[in-house]
Amino acid sequence: GQQVMQIPQYQHVQEGEDFTTYCNSSTTLSNIQWYKQRPGGHPVFLIQLVKSGEVKKQKRLTFQFGEAKKNSSLHITATQTTDVGTYFCAGREGRTSYDKVIFGPGTSLSVIP
Amino acid sequence: DADVTQTPRNRITKTGKRIMLECSQTKGHDRMYWYRQDPGLGLRLIYYSFDVKDINKGEISDGYSVSRQAQAKFSLSLESAIPNQTALYFCATSDLWQGAVNEQFFGPGTRLTVL
Repeated sequence: GQQVMQIPQYQHVQEGEDFTTYCNSSTTLSNIQWYKQRPGGHPVFLIQLVKSGEVKKQKRLTFQFGEAKKNSSLHITATQTTDVGTYFCAGREGRTSYDKVIFGPGTSLSVIP
Repeated sequence: DADVTQTPRNRITKTGKRIMLECSQTKGHDRMYWYRQDPGLGLRLIYYSFDVKDINKGEISDGYSVSRQAQAKFSLSLESAIPNQTALYFCATSDLWQGAVNEQFFGPGTRLTVL
């Protein structure tokens, strides 16, 4: 079945450094979503990518969807303490309305002030 | 989101007890989901429902059952709780996917401990 992996599992950075998390699927995806979960909180949707090679930006966050639609990345420029949390990717394999998303295990980001 | 509520927020129970976790939503979404979160394993889907009459097993449905009492309510039951069901449980909702963005909206979570 479909599997979604993320690396690294944990990342500790100094405030101001950049951060990247990578998401890889065992199968081709129709779209991929990214969520952020703050410590003690619940996952909150960040963005959805649909097109091959798509790049989207949200302020300091840059999201990419691979050309083969099997991988994605989230890059944060100049991290801040507010970026602390776990970042999950979630991939949808099929194109029908009955296809569910599969979440990756997440990357936990710590930012040292 | 306050639009998705879960009760209880915390529960400690003993092995063998029957437990029900409840989820309610005011978003008017047809689709509802139950996930469990364990450290290092991310969010794993237990059950999902695309409408009141449609319920489907997820990746890890063994030991769990669900009931979709209404569009707004989706309950998760552990018939006989065991310690490895200790986890953080999330309910989520989403709108019908028709090629548009169908983000999932998560409830605040229920932390369940089985002793």
